[in-house]
Amino acid sequence: NAGVTQTPKFRVLKTGQSMTLLCAQDMNHEYMYWYRQDPGMGLRLIHYSVGEGTTAKGEVPDGYNVSRLKKQNFLLGLESAAPSQTSVYFCAGGTSGEDTQYFGPGTRLTVL
Amino acid sequence: GENVEQHPSTLSVQEGDSAVIKCTYSDSASNYFPWYKQELGKGPQLIIDIRSNVGEKKDQRIAVTLNKTAKHFSLHITETQPEDSAVYFCAASNTGRRALTFGSGTRLQVQP
Repeated sequence: NAGVTQTPKFRVLKTGQSMTLLCAQDMNHEYMYWYRQDPGMGLRLIHYSVGEGTTAKGEVPDGYNVSRLKKQNFLLGLESAAPSQTSVYFCAGGTSGEDTQYFGPGTRLTVL
Repeated sequence: GENVEQHPSTLSVQEGDSAVIKCTYSDSASNYFPWYKQELGKGPQLIIDIRSNVGEKKDQRIAVTLNKTAKHFSLHITETQPEDSAVYFCAASNTGRRALTFGSGTRLQVQP
């Protein structure tokens, strides 16, 4: 099993550009999450999904959209990137019978 | 919502000494408290967790204690080794909220 994987690992965008981050998992997770990590602030929840076709807002959802068309994939989109979205983005997955979340390796995004 | 505070932000110990990291939480409904270790350039990895019906849990050199009345929980690492050097995060959640609220992290450095 590959676990939770994220694509791409690094990306540089210009202000106003759009992009999509892909999270994929082969652990049959019902729940999937997107977090962002900024220096000195820990990880903050952006959006999450409790199942295929469902999404919900987290703590810091503004400027992001998500989709969960397939159970194994969770996409995070930035429609018009801003410098404030420069961060490291982590995807995580979990199952309905457990509280544990398993994290991917992260995507480092820089918005100039 | 939940708020998790973590102290200290940095901790330096000599190899073989013990290290203690403390967290407090605000939401009395929180019932799941994981600890994650994050190495440079990697995603957080779960190292131990505890649920609110347990006061202490141990796994080899790592232990976690929980005081529900005071709303605080701690990570204890004994006989520290250089490979324990990393950033450690505490978090809290409950079955209803699902998503984790993280502390701001502790950078642990073990001096050989």
